[in-house]
Amino acid sequence: DGGITQSPKYLFRKEGQNVTLSCEQNLNHDAMYWYRQDPGQGLRLIYYSQIVNDFQKGDIAEGYSVSREKKESFPLTVTSAQKNPTAFYLCASRQQGTDTEAFFGQGTRLTVV
Amino acid sequence: AQSVTQLDSQVPVFEEAPVELRCNYSSSVSVYLFWYVQYPNQGLQLLLKYLSGSTLVESINGFEAEFNKSQTSFHLRKPSVHISDTAEYFCAVSDIYNQGGKLIFGQGTELSVKP
Repeated sequence: DGGITQSPKYLFRKEGQNVTLSCEQNLNHDAMYWYRQDPGQGLRLIYYSQIVNDFQKGDIAEGYSVSREKKESFPLTVTSAQKNPTAFYLCASRQQGTDTEAFFGQGTRLTVV
Repeated sequence: AQSVTQLDSQVPVFEEAPVELRCNYSSSVSVYLFWYVQYPNQGLQLLLKYLSGSTLVESINGFEAEFNKSQTSFHLRKPSVHISDTAEYFCAVSDIYNQGGKLIFGQGTELSVKP
């Protein structure tokens, strides 16, 4: 089945540690996105990539980094510079062009203690 | 910059009652519009979308939304809700001129259907 896989589903880390969230898609989509979800704030765009080896900052990129070395993979690293990293993180992909919907993974809930 | 406003953060309603979830977007340029649904601790699923043509679009589970360009709105409606419709609903917009292909979301509306 085609889809997007995020792993792990739950992740716990100590404050000050970097952590990488995985996102893999086999939909052959060009564009991939990372969103952060907090209660009452909807989905906020962290980074997006429209093509391999290229990506752009979203609205809340500070404290995060990404890479896009392969079309099917778009990992997100939450660095120690992110002041409040505890949140639900969603990865999405979309075929290039604006008239298509995005497909979402099941999310990773990150808790920093 | 494009933005989306969902006017109600929570909507409680009794089963079999009608419901409307409101969504307004900021831009006057042509857009594509989407409604997504999210069940607890899951990702988002597309409910329906407006690309062009008829301003009234329908989903397979009884929801419908109407695109109103003059009011820059895309409200979601269902004439009779079920307990299983309890979820969070997100409105999203994409600029047809492809602002980097970004998909901008509203803050979400939590629909709670009570028996």
